[in-house]
Amino acid sequence: QVQLVESGGGLVKPGGSLRLSCAASGFTLSGYYMSWIRQAPGKGLEWVSYISRSAKTINYADSVKGRFTISRDNAKNSLYLQMDSLRAEDTAVYYCARDQKGGSSDYWGQGTLVTVSS
Amino acid sequence: DIQMTQSPSSLSASVGDRVTITCRASQNISSYLNWYQQKSGTAPKLLIYTASSLQSGVPSRFTGSGSGTDFTLTISSLQAEDFATYYCQQSYTTPRTFGQGTKVEIK
Repeated sequence: QVQLVESGGGLVKPGGSLRLSCAASGFTLSGYYMSWIRQAPGKGLEWVSYISRSAKTINYADSVKGRFTISRDNAKNSLYLQMDSLRAEDTAVYYCARDQKGGSSDYWGQGTLVTVSS
Repeated sequence: DIQMTQSPSSLSASVGDRVTITCRASQNISSYLNWYQQKSGTAPKLLIYTASSLQSGVPSRFTGSGSGTDFTLTISSLQAEDFATYYCQQSYTTPRTFGQGTKVEIK
């Protein structure tokens, strides 16, 4: 069955960096666009970024552009989010999700919590 | 950016009630509108994609309608397991913005 498992979250100081990983199983990663979506504590959902099947097309929310980098390794069935220059407002649960045609996200991981605090 | 506005922000309903949630886009998004359900402490679950297509495995009591700027999610007969927060999302363009959510609570 389709499974997405995020890892790499934790506590980091403002200005620091963190790399999130998402391990995919049960499907062929290379066949799908993938996204990162986050949710601040007690708040709604915020789309962060997506990456096309071959990584030729990448988009970011303005709030993370220039600080976050999405990437993928189809051979390793893995998706990544490199987060630099982290701010307190980046504190959130980060979900990776598989995108289907039309742009909806049909499978989500369980999420990994990133806390940015001094 | 396209703004997505859901109404109401919350509602109280009883098991068996018909529930309707609306989502309005700030500009035309054709049918690129998706609905998600999120229960406390868990990841969102896709219910409806491209405005009216039912995701595999989702009960038929969930229906979506609309196009352009105005969309509706209807639960025909609310069940105990449907108490959750519902989000709409446009996937017409980036950023793929979400509505603020509608919390469905037990009356």
